[in-house]
Amino acid sequence: GEDVEQSLFLSVREGDSSVINCTYTDSSSTYLYWYKQEPGAGLQLLTYIFSNMDMKQDQRLTVLLNKKDKHLSLRIADTQTGDSAIYFCAESKPGGSYIPTFGRGTSLIVHP
Amino acid sequence: DAGVTQSPTHLIKTRGQQVTLRCSPKSGHDTVSWYQQALGQGPQFIFQYYEEEERQRGNFPDRFSGHQFPNYSSELNVNALLLGDSALYLCASSLVGSGSLHNEQFFGPGTRLTVL
Repeated sequence: GEDVEQSLFLSVREGDSSVINCTYTDSSSTYLYWYKQEPGAGLQLLTYIFSNMDMKQDQRLTVLLNKKDKHLSLRIADTQTGDSAIYFCAESKPGGSYIPTFGRGTSLIVHP
Repeated sequence: DAGVTQSPTHLIKTRGQQVTLRCSPKSGHDTVSWYQQALGQGPQFIFQYYEEEERQRGNFPDRFSGHQFPNYSSELNVNALLLGDSALYLCASSLVGSGSLHNEQFFGPGTRLTVL
């Protein structure tokens, strides 16, 4: 199977919270990332979490890591239409020189 | 502060042709990585250049080659193009020894390659 798996689509109403989920297979993953890709643009690093952390919060973004289940989530509070984009989960490890391995991305659609 | 730039933005080639894509890293960065992003997929790592040498390579055939210049800019060359090479090619730059273990990568907007 894929090293990093994500659901492909998520639709939410403006103002609601969005939760994007990701699972990974490699227990030696050291860093886990969330990237955002808007149409016609490259990837923008939103946030990352080190594997010895359980949670990281940055303004509207909250990352939760369950290392036992190899599950990562990104919660976006008060989701806005400008948050509509594709969100990629990625992991990296020291043996791979921290080159991220990406999931297929979750397309977030925010309805007014 | 200029970010990562790539050229051209779009390119159309036919099967069997060769293509060269270019990338200028973010100011102050010394490492360039290339990724292939097929439609509906996440980016796949092609290779990384540091000090003008290929430092690491993903699972791509030898038809994919690259170069890094003394000014840290980089080229990606693809020979004998196949239909399956149609994708968005992303360049990312980073700074080795930035003090950050994970060497945060900054991505360019990509070059959209279509092979007919």
